[in-house]
Amino acid sequence: AQKVTQAQTEISVVEKEDVTLDCVYETRDTTYYLFWYKQPPSGELVFLIRRNSFDEQNEISGRYSWNFQKSTSSFNFTITASQVVDSAVYFCALSEAGYALNFGKGTSLLVTP
Amino acid sequence: DAGVIQSPRHEVTEMGQEVTLRCKPISGHDYLFWYRQTMMRGLELLIYFNNNVPIDDSGMPEDRFSAKMPNASFSTLKIQPSEPRDSAVYFCASSFAGMRNTIYFGEGSWLTVV
Repeated sequence: AQKVTQAQTEISVVEKEDVTLDCVYETRDTTYYLFWYKQPPSGELVFLIRRNSFDEQNEISGRYSWNFQKSTSSFNFTITASQVVDSAVYFCALSEAGYALNFGKGTSLLVTP
Repeated sequence: DAGVIQSPRHEVTEMGQEVTLRCKPISGHDYLFWYRQTMMRGLELLIYFNNNVPIDDSGMPEDRFSAKMPNASFSTLKIQPSEPRDSAVYFCASSFAGMRNTIYFGEGSWLTVV
């Protein structure tokens, strides 16, 4: 069963628009961790954020913000005032007690000038 | 600080040949992970180690794949014999104390089997 669902396969926006990438997860564990990674065209996986299941505070880092809601099992990612350099594939991932990451299929974001 | 280092970055090999991918984790990290990325299957965990001991290898596709971690600073993923369907990007990643801390990925090894 898919543990992490990123329903948006591709998103295209014009520069300076805000964009939200959705992530819905599934777990029976009470302790778990959620992650977002960015994969730019060059191919590396860049860590963006880690959140544990006991911390539902939203987080903002510059133009990036994350909304964690346990009630809906969602961990959404918003980019404010998007830029061309934000074009990448973004992965949401879940880790349960087994320590390994289960990745979603990714959302490909294209930001055009 | 040096990140996770993988080699080779790119490899093209012929079907039937042995392929060895190498990984040097971040110093001090006690967990090491091997992932494979393909268009069809996305990012899949192949195997992970804790303190050089394999913990879960259920993701290793078949007996043609093997992974070792002889010491805390080196791991290999070997495919023998290689097949065209093994073509993928193979990522190595490491972390300290598992999920309680961030998992850092290497730049990946891009394997093409022709």
